[in-house]
Amino acid sequence: EVQLVESGGDLLQPGRSLRLSCTASGFTFGDYPMSWVRQAPGKGLEWVGFIRSKPYGGTTEYAASVKGRFTISRDDSRSIVYVQMNSLKTEDTAFYYCTRVVRDTSMIIDYWGQGTLVTVSS
Amino acid sequence: NFMLTQPHSVSESPGKTVTISCIRSSGSIASNYVQWYQQRPGSAPTTVIYEDNQRPSGVPDRFSGSIDISSRSASLTISGLKTEDEADYYCQSYDSGNQGVFGGGTKVTVL
Repeated sequence: EVQLVESGGDLLQPGRSLRLSCTASGFTFGDYPMSWVRQAPGKGLEWVGFIRSKPYGGTTEYAASVKGRFTISRDDSRSIVYVQMNSLKTEDTAFYYCTRVVRDTSMIIDYWGQGTLVTVSS
Repeated sequence: NFMLTQPHSVSESPGKTVTISCIRSSGSIASNYVQWYQQRPGSAPTTVIYEDNQRPSGVPDRFSGSIDISSRSASLTISGLKTEDEADYYCQSYDSGNQGVFGGGTKVTVL
């Protein structure tokens, strides 16, 4: 059974940094690209970014709203994907979902984690 | 980049059929696959349709997806509505650079 478990959500002040983790199980992690999607409380889904599998270079793509501030990385030996979030803003307050992507050439999500809450407030 | 526009809400009675539209603002709807995600209150999203019309295992065949190139739209149809289908539904696609794009979501109410 595919499982994605996020951790690291917290309450912090604007300008601070935070790293979220997502531990995967139930599939061969290194074979799959992974992505992060967020949802502000009471709002819709927003794509944050994605990281390709190592055979596709492990390269990343980001939404314009987070580009230059967020960095997605992966540790295939531990089946973990991270998102490093710097210079956080109040508008980054959201539930952050880790997702598995079907293939490197198409941003298609098949599995979702349960989410972790990041609150940015002074 | 393009946008995906969905109706805010739809409602229907149990046993009936409801269809949710998702209109692409520019470019062909057939350029990249469309997915549909269900989010029940207080829960994470789940995938109900991928690659325009494919159902993941475990998703009932009451859920179906389609695209219409002429209207630049995708649709999610739920037949035989059940109270458990009450949820928010999001369409999603991506551009040539694999940037994800979500619709604003549609709230389905089962009366």
